Amino acid sequence: GAGVSQSPSNKVTEKGKDVELRCDPISGHTALYWYRQSLGQGLEFLIYFQGNSAPDKSGLPSDRFSAERTGGSVSTLTIQRTQQEDSAVYLCASSSRTGDEQFFGPGTRLTVL
Amino acid sequence: DQQVKQNSPSLSVQEGRISILNCDYTNSMFDYFLWYKKYPAEGPTFLISISSIKDKNEDGRFTVFLNKSAKHLSLHIVPSQPGDSAVYFCAASANDYKLSFGAGTTVTVRA
Repeated sequence: GAGVSQSPSNKVTEKGKDVELRCDPISGHTALYWYRQSLGQGLEFLIYFQGNSAPDKSGLPSDRFSAERTGGSVSTLTIQRTQQEDSAVYLCASSSRTGDEQFFGPGTRLTVL
Repeated sequence: DQQVKQNSPSLSVQEGRISILNCDYTNSMFDYFLWYKKYPAEGPTFLISISSIKDKNEDGRFTVFLNKSAKHLSLHIVPSQPGDSAVYFCAASANDYKLSFGAGTTVTVRA
């Protein structure tokens, strides 16, 4: 069956521009997570969605970062006024419910020039 | 501040031998630990986990050991196979959904 998909796979942008990263979770999975991996670092938790509950945004590094999950399925991570330190691989994961195994997408490699 | 650390960025091992990957953590609230495996251009995939109530969990060629007093866990792969060449991430959670990951160890299995 289809796994978690993310688009684009690569994104190069100029400093100050806004970017949108998309995640399509596994169908039926109610929990969705965003992580990022900066060079030489482990994956860093960003945000978590569970059904219709308010998302846990505690991992977002600044107010330039926001995320939405429409209809309990597709999620979009938006970074406004990108900075060079935003360059990283952004990974999305989903699980059938909270606490279950998280299945990861291939990630979006973001490069801010 | 990284709460999960993998101090060896790379490991090279001969096919058929044992691979030992190490992971240290600082948060004493962590009670569930996982290892993920990642191939290039793919997302991490779950490999094996262990709860803090256990000190060993085995699944085929993979065994995870947990030493809570030392805040240390390790992954043993025996015997190592060429298909095991990948990046391995250690992760931990404190009874919730947030996973804290190490930076990963790249394993290369030589034929």
